[in-house]
Amino acid sequence: EAQVTQNPRYLITVTGKKLTVTCSQNMNHEYMSWYRQDPGLGLRQIYYSMNVEATDKGDVPEGYKVSRKEKRNFPLILESPSPNQTSLYFCASSSTGSSPLHFGNGTRLTVT
Amino acid sequence: AQSVTQLDSQVPVFEEAPVELRCNYSSSVSVYLFWYVQYPNQGLQLLLKYLSGSTLVKGINGFEAEFNKSQTSFHLRKPSVHISDTAEYFCAVSESDSWGKLQFGAGTQVVVTP
Repeated sequence: EAQVTQNPRYLITVTGKKLTVTCSQNMNHEYMSWYRQDPGLGLRQIYYSMNVEATDKGDVPEGYKVSRKEKRNFPLILESPSPNQTSLYFCASSSTGSSPLHFGNGTRLTVT
Repeated sequence: AQSVTQLDSQVPVFEEAPVELRCNYSSSVSVYLFWYVQYPNQGLQLLLKYLSGSTLVKGINGFEAEFNKSQTSFHLRKPSVHISDTAEYFCAVSESDSWGKLQFGAGTQVVVTP
């Protein structure tokens, strides 16, 4: 089954403790992207990747890192999480800009 | 850089009534436009997209949208809604020369009541 898999689904952590949210897709998609969803703000793009070893900033990259060493994986790294990064995070992938995005089921992160 | 405005944060509608969700964008170059739907506790699914060509775009579940270049709008419509259309709807835009950078609107919550 074609899918984007994010882990974990729920994560509670403390300020400053490094964490990684994993994202994997099995559709051989070139493009992958991370978004955060906050009430009243919609989805805001954090980082995107057009291909392996090619990443670029979205609208809200501060406090986040990504890497794209393999086509299928695009982990999101928070080196020193802060409470303002409490949010619902989505990973998505697509084959081209005109193709629909396939979304993961989301990761709800709480930073205390 | 592009931006997207969804003009209504919430739209209540009765079952079998029509609904229109408004979306305006700004960009200095040609754009790709999308509508996505998010059901509770799920990721987003594509409803329809405009890339070029005919300005009236038909999508899944009976939805359609019209691209109006002069008004920079991409409003979503459905002639008769069902209870199952209760969801949040997001308009999104990317510029055709930098399509990787996709911007979403704030969303419109549609609540369908009997």
